[in-house]
Amino acid sequence: NAGVTQTPKFRVLKTGQSMTLLCAQDMNHEYMYWYRQDPGMGLRLIHYSVGEGTTAKGEVPDGYNVSRLKKQNFLLGLESAAPSQTSVYFCASTEDRTSAEAFFGQGTRLTVV
Amino acid sequence: GNSVTQMEGPVTLSEEAFLTINCTYTATGYPSLFWYVQYPGEGLQLLLKATKADDKGSNKGFEATYRKETTSFHLEKGSVQVSDSAVYFCALTPYGNNRLAFGKGNQVVVIP
Repeated sequence: NAGVTQTPKFRVLKTGQSMTLLCAQDMNHEYMYWYRQDPGMGLRLIHYSVGEGTTAKGEVPDGYNVSRLKKQNFLLGLESAAPSQTSVYFCASTEDRTSAEAFFGQGTRLTVV
Repeated sequence: GNSVTQMEGPVTLSEEAFLTINCTYTATGYPSLFWYVQYPGEGLQLLLKATKADDKGSNKGFEATYRKETTSFHLEKGSVQVSDSAVYFCALTPYGNNRLAFGKGNQVVVIP
């Protein structure tokens, strides 16, 4: 009964390094999302996907790329990390229906130094 | 555009006190409204929701009523416990899609 699983849970990067965050869900959900959470800012949508092979930009997409090659996985990439990308990242998924409940992973705390 | 506004600042209160967290929204059409809760070190989880005007969502003693005339969805609980200490987020999804828009969240601290 895993739900939404994010890896890794913690990471420290040097400025300019790259990394990929993995999100996996086992609920057969169509929609998946990546958010970042910063103090006093709530959660802001980075990118989302409405199905396998699709991606779209959210509110704050710059500096990030995503891929959805398999329905159950949604990857978030940072090609050249910057200190402004220090944040807690959350993945979420929902069914394809209006007002569906979003299920969240436990988050990835990323620090860029 | 679609946006959610929550009252500023953390909320600190004593056990068994009454809790209110204000939430107002701006949206076109008829959004669905949600309250999500985040316990320390965890991801968000749905607390309650309402999908049309005058609906009341409720769960674990918390309630919120969808007020279209005041574009509000205030969260209330009559008697809080220490275990209710968490961050509470008001959110909406516009009609026709599931892209959640969140408020900034309110830290609630309940002291014994």
